[in-house]
Amino acid sequence: ETGVTQTPRHLVMGMTNKKSLKCEQHLGHNAMYWYKQSAKKPLELMFVYNFKEQTENNSVPSRFSPECPNSSHLFLHLHTLQPEDSALYLCASSQDLSSSYNEQFFGPGTRLTVL
Amino acid sequence: RKEVEQDPGPFNVPEGATVAFNCTYSNSASQSFFWYRQDCRKEPKLLMSVYSSGNEDGRFTAQLNRASQYISLLIRDSKLSDSATYLCVVILNTGGFKTIFGAGTRLFVKA
Repeated sequence: ETGVTQTPRHLVMGMTNKKSLKCEQHLGHNAMYWYKQSAKKPLELMFVYNFKEQTENNSVPSRFSPECPNSSHLFLHLHTLQPEDSALYLCASSQDLSSSYNEQFFGPGTRLTVL
Repeated sequence: RKEVEQDPGPFNVPEGATVAFNCTYSNSASQSFFWYRQDCRKEPKLLMSVYSSGNEDGRFTAQLNRASQYISLLIRDSKLSDSATYLCVVILNTGGFKTIFGAGTRLFVKA
């Protein structure tokens, strides 16, 4: 059973809506990630947090706004999205960023559809 | 050129077959390498790390060739349950660690 949970699992929203995705990890990790997975495309890293500090923003549009209140929780706030933002959004965590051999554990993802 | 390239497949093989996947990477700052597995409509999960000396885990063998900048995954005696997408993952060390996923190779094992 995964130690990383995500809610909601499915989300349909209009382009003018504001919604938030939530991720929680129960593994005692200090690094958390947001990824976007579109059909037939590789996983795209969006944001990385290490000990609650954002360490990477991979040129993500400002309509995606991450928030990391503590090492166990990660949010992705969404507003004025476009239909091309429809994808599977995956959260992951790892021990921290001190080693390149840290395994990432993924949540089940939120399947987002923007109408 | 993509930083991590994989043959998307799909590879369709019968049970018991041996199948091999390759993955090439372009950045010489690539430091660590992994294979992840993603089942249909599921999240990716670590399958195995890849070391320069090569490593084996049961029916799975991973190899790294730094000179040619590719990694490989060999699956022997394929099982139906091996059907999945196999993701090549490279960690770059560019002052910080950056994770790059390949697009994945789909494998279908048929009875």
